Amino acid sequence: GQSLEQPSEVTAVEGAIVQINCTYQTSGFYGLSWYQQHDGGAPTFLSYNALDGLEETGRFSSFLSRSDSYGYLLLQELQMKDSASYFCAVRDRGGATNKLIFGTGTLLAVQP
Amino acid sequence: ETGVTQTPRHLVMGMTNKKSLKCEQHLGHNAMYWYKQSAKKPLELMFVYNFKEQTENNSVPSRFSPECPNSSHLFLHLHTLQPEDSALYLCASSQERVGPYGYTFGSGTRLTVV
Repeated sequence: GQSLEQPSEVTAVEGAIVQINCTYQTSGFYGLSWYQQHDGGAPTFLSYNALDGLEETGRFSSFLSRSDSYGYLLLQELQMKDSASYFCAVRDRGGATNKLIFGTGTLLAVQP
Repeated sequence: ETGVTQTPRHLVMGMTNKKSLKCEQHLGHNAMYWYKQSAKKPLELMFVYNFKEQTENNSVPSRFSPECPNSSHLFLHLHTLQPEDSALYLCASSQERVGPYGYTFGSGTRLTVV
């Protein structure tokens, strides 16, 4: 089967750094994405890694190691507004279908 | 607004009702998707449309019937649903290749089946 594993919950304080890990087992792999979803809102795209290494976008960075089937999202200088659920997603190589397989999500709580 | 609009935002329906969810995007994307989001579960892919053609039906029960009349509109027709179908239904769109651009999601329709 296909699965993406993430911690269910993470708690951190304002100004801190937090890392959310994702390990995946999928039939195909075209890249690892990260999405943020605030309570009651739409998931929004954060980052994408097709190749190994670190991608940085402002306070957020994402890392991929294809040999380890592993990636992480790093959030720096945490702010209260970062409290949300974070999902990793793998683009599956399923034929002509362009589809994302999502993890169960990590609920991040940022405390004052 | 994300560029993908879903209506209604909330829907309560009985098990014998028929209703439809609507999704609209004007981002110029040519792929559209329906996902189901239940508590404590990953987002579940239901249907994929590329250039109005259905390319994926992820073993979804026939009580869910999608329709894609053009690349900008996507519907999910519902009939004789079960209480376990209560969930957040999310629509998304993308370019044919995800690449670095990702999906754009709507805010979803919160469906409650009573």
